[in-house]
Formats: sequence, structure tokens, C-alpha cells
Amino acid sequence: SQTIHQWPATLVQPVGSPLSLECTVEGTSNPNLYWYRQAAGRGLQLLFYSVGIGQISSEVPQNLSASRPQDRQFILSSKKLLLSDSGFYLCAWSVPGNSPLHFGNGTRLTVT
Amino acid sequence: GQSLEQPSEVTAVEGAIVQINCTYQTSGFYGLSWYQQHDGGAPTFLSYNALDGLEETGRFSSFLSRSDSYGYLLLQELQMKDSASYFCAVRDKNTGRRALTFGSGTRLQVQP
Repeated sequence: SQTIHQWPATLVQPVGSPLSLECTVEGTSNPNLYWYRQAAGRGLQLLFYSVGIGQISSEVPQNLSASRPQDRQFILSSKKLLLSDSGFYLCAWSVPGNSPLHFGNGTRLTVT
Repeated sequence: GQSLEQPSEVTAVEGAIVQINCTYQTSGFYGLSWYQQHDGGAPTFLSYNALDGLEETGRFSSFLSRSDSYGYLLLQELQMKDSASYFCAVRDKNTGRRALTFGSGTRLQVQP
């Protein structure tokens, strides 16, 4: 069966520090991969999605970036965090095509 | 682009039936999905409507009217564990998007 791993679960970082969140998927090949962010009590905002290794589509211009160095690995990064980067970051995968998204357990990031 | 509107909060009592509405605006249409998210947790897929009509999955049903750009999620025999946020979501066919755009979510509170 397919599983998605996302870590860390919780992170507290000072303003201006770098960020690296990692997500890996097991049990499937060539998945579509996604990063979403959710502010407290709000909906999910799409940040990046990827349909293959090295292929990244950015939805929101900001100080975040994403990379997909391997088929089932998706990384969210920042060189310098802002206070506004605080939120709940969710990685997800789907089979290519019109299929449901499967989310990881999320990372709760607090920038202080 | 696309946008979705759904009520921010709904309250109902245990054993009752509740309907959560969603209206959407999108250029092209790939179907309407529904996700459930408990506090602090990850969203999980509930249902998907590609065509007009009602889809039933146990106590949950979802309805779509493409001519009205409208859908709803119907929860029957409400249980306390149904207290969660519910999100409708669409893919935009015409722009070739492979990701979901989510509504802002409806927080359902089930009271005893």
C-alpha cells in the first residue's frame, strides 16, 4: 500500500533562518506531488506541484522554493523565513490524472 | 482561475442530517471533490462528483449540478466524530492544472 511521510511534525524557527521540509512517498511510482499551506482556521493554499523529477510549478510567488530530486521525494525550502511563513504545511501525492489527493500528517511551522 | 464559496460554520445535533453547500466558479470543470479535516490533522478524501447527481458512500452523500455550478455534501445520522472541517475542491480543466483548489472550509460542530 502507499504511504506518505512528512517531517518534522513541529518546527519553531527564528525569522531569517533557513527551512527544509521533506516529504517522501512509498508504494507508488511517478506520483504527482504537492505542497499546500494552511493558515489557522483557513483553507488550503497551493504552493507548488510537481508531475516529475525536476519539474516544479509554483503557484504563489514568495520566498519559498521546492525541489524534487527523486521520483518520490519532494522538498520545501526557504533561505530566509518570514513571520508570515508560519502555518501548517501539508505534502500530498496523487496518481497522475483526475484522482484524489493523499495528504501527509503535516508540519506545523512557527516563525518567531 | 477558480473560486469556491462555502459557509464558514454549521452546527447540528447528534443523529441529525446536515447539508454543506459549495458554489464554484471555474473555467472548465473536472469535477467536485470533498475532503474532511479534523483539528490538527490532515485532510482526507471523502467523495468526488464528475457528473450531475448524487453519489452515496455510507452516511455521506455528495451532489453536483454542473448547470448551477453547485454541489453539496450531505451527512446523515450525525455522530460526534463528524465534528471537523469540510472542504470542497475543484480542478481547472482548461488551464491544465493538475492540482486542487480548495474552498475556505466549513467547520461542522456536532452537539449532543
